[in-house]
Amino acid sequence: GEDVEQSLFLSVREGDSSVINCTYTDSSSTYLYWYKQEPGAGLQLLTYIFSNMDMKQDQRLTVLLNKKDKHLSLRIADTQTGDSAIYFCAETYGGATNKLIFGTGTLLAVQP
Amino acid sequence: DVKVTQSSRYLVKRTGEKVFLECVQDMDHENMFWYRQDPGLGLRLIYFSYDVKMKEKGDIPEGYSVSREKKERFSLILESASTNQTSMYLCASQRVAEPQHFGDGTRLSIL
Repeated sequence: GEDVEQSLFLSVREGDSSVINCTYTDSSSTYLYWYKQEPGAGLQLLTYIFSNMDMKQDQRLTVLLNKKDKHLSLRIADTQTGDSAIYFCAETYGGATNKLIFGTGTLLAVQP
Repeated sequence: DVKVTQSSRYLVKRTGEKVFLECVQDMDHENMFWYRQDPGLGLRLIYFSYDVKMKEKGDIPEGYSVSREKKERFSLILESASTNQTSMYLCASQRVAEPQHFGDGTRLSIL
């Protein structure tokens, strides 16, 4: 079945760039999303990319999509301690726009 | 800004109780969702609703039911709570073909 995989943990120093990676299996995905979850809170939509794009930039965030390899990445420039959180990748599946499969999340730890 | 409000942040109930989790959105979204989040398992869809009184089972509907009598409100019901339903429950809403927006979650403990 469909699956979304992420590495579990990433540690970076404040001011460095962070790159969080995700691989997915459904080639019919329409949209791919990045959500952020701070401790004890819900998921906050960070950014998303349509499947016919290969890059999207939004301030400190850059999303890269490689459809051939089914690989999605989120780059955070000038990472701050406030960026410490769990980051979830999600894809739409089955050609629908209302059903998402989530990865298990990557914990980003930013060291001062 | 989209606002999705879950009625409780923390809830403690006993085994066998009937439990109601409420979710309200203020953006006239058609779609609403209930997920549960468990460590190492990510988010799993329990039920979703695409219109008033319309619902569809997600990946893990067993032990749960839902109600959507008004467009803005989507309720998750645990008919007879069990300890394996201790979890973080997240509600989301969505305008068709747009991203899902999430509430702050309800951390439910069943004793």
